[in-house]
Amino acid sequence: DAGVTQSPTHLIKTRGQHVTLRCSPISGHKSVSWYQQVLGQGPQFIFQYYEKEERGRGNFPDRFSARQFPNYSSELNVNALLLGDSALYLCASSFGPGAANYGYTFGSGTRLTVV
Amino acid sequence: GQQLNQSPQSMFIQEGEDVSMNCTSSSIFNTWLWYKQDPGEGPVLLIALYKAGELTSNGRLTAQFGITRKDSFLNISASIPSDVGIYFCAGQPTSGSARQLTFGSGTQLTVLP
Repeated sequence: DAGVTQSPTHLIKTRGQHVTLRCSPISGHKSVSWYQQVLGQGPQFIFQYYEKEERGRGNFPDRFSARQFPNYSSELNVNALLLGDSALYLCASSFGPGAANYGYTFGSGTRLTVV
Repeated sequence: GQQLNQSPQSMFIQEGEDVSMNCTSSSIFNTWLWYKQDPGEGPVLLIALYKAGELTSNGRLTAQFGITRKDSFLNISASIPSDVGIYFCAGQPTSGSARQLTFGSGTQLTVLP
């Protein structure tokens, strides 16, 4: 079975540009969450989507947005990139919005570097 | 906001030794999770805890959900080289429509031969 798939794996962008990151959850999972992991720290929650609706938003500026598609895949968009947006962006998949059924399964992430 | 204090920040141990790390929270969680992350990869779930007082094992790993619901620990017995990595605790809040995880800052484990 395919795990959580994220694309691209690596990305280099210039300050002020826009970026779109993509995530395909595990088959049968209806919830996708996005996390930002800065080097040396634990992941920080950005968004959660369940059944195509936003269920939660972390403490991130409006430059960050996301959506979930009918097939439960998801996109994370970041506008007006800043140097501080450089991080590993992780997508987590789960059957429902909670951590039941063995918690969240993470993808390998997209490494975003802003120069 | 909720904060998780994870300790120790790093550990250097000899192969075969036991390891213990813990997390404490300023708020109550209804779920505690322990993840391991290797370089360039996403976190991989090791153990999930859903009830206060619960003690769960996964091979050489044992974790407990504290009675107060504000803490959890992870023990690794008889460490081996492949245990090297960063270990994160994560808690899920008791309320709110989103079930986001709050992560600790991680414990970097190095196993010396």
